[in-house]
Amino acid sequence: QSALTQPASVSGSPGQSITISCTGTSSDVGGYNYVSWYQQHPGKAPKLMIYEVSNRPSGVPDRFSGSKSGNTASLTISGLQAEDEADYYCSSYTSSSNYVFGTGTKVTVL
Amino acid sequence: EVQLVESGGGLVQPGGSLRLSCAASGFTFSNYWMHWVRQAPGKGLVWVSRIKSDGGSTIYADSVKGRFTISRDNAKNTLYLQMNSLRAEDTAVYYCARDGVDTIDFDYWGQGTLVTVSS
Repeated sequence: QSALTQPASVSGSPGQSITISCTGTSSDVGGYNYVSWYQQHPGKAPKLMIYEVSNRPSGVPDRFSGSKSGNTASLTISGLQAEDEADYYCSSYTSSSNYVFGTGTKVTVL
Repeated sequence: EVQLVESGGGLVQPGGSLRLSCAASGFTFSNYWMHWVRQAPGKGLVWVSRIKSDGGSTIYADSVKGRFTISRDNAKNTLYLQMNSLRAEDTAVYYCARDGVDTIDFDYWGQGTLVTVSS
């Protein structure tokens, strides 16, 4: 199972919006609405930010939003804040009944 | 409060074995599927294995199939990963993670335990 493709890095200034893409295939991202997104600060465990493409767990700020079109999912951070600087990973369930993560995106707040 | 605490990591020689544990608290462990996910130093997350709530069904990434075994003891609220025939490329932080309620995601994670395979 190949990793989902994400841009290596994305940057933006405070208050701006950024979008991170996550491209897979019809056997994973395109085939299921089980796409989730995780935030990971250095040396810390990942944290669930979005589940089932566009749902936010309790406690996650509403400036985080998710969407999907075809085989590509996206995470948008609106009103970028300094604490949003972290690595972000997408994940999808697959047709092999297993799971695959994205390659990861480093978000830098300028 | 949901807590997942991994232990058992350390330095092991190539070809050796190690058993990781993940102690769960703050939720009804026996109701949830559980996963192991690993992250090599400076690299991305990689899913390793999943076990269903009753332990009756397991699945593995191709890279560990036949070498790793996931199991659980619901009476002890503990998840395990038995790792045999370890290779240098198995060096990573290993996280246990809980599967979401009525969905498919990793909603809570432990802090991870480092496994280093080296001679």
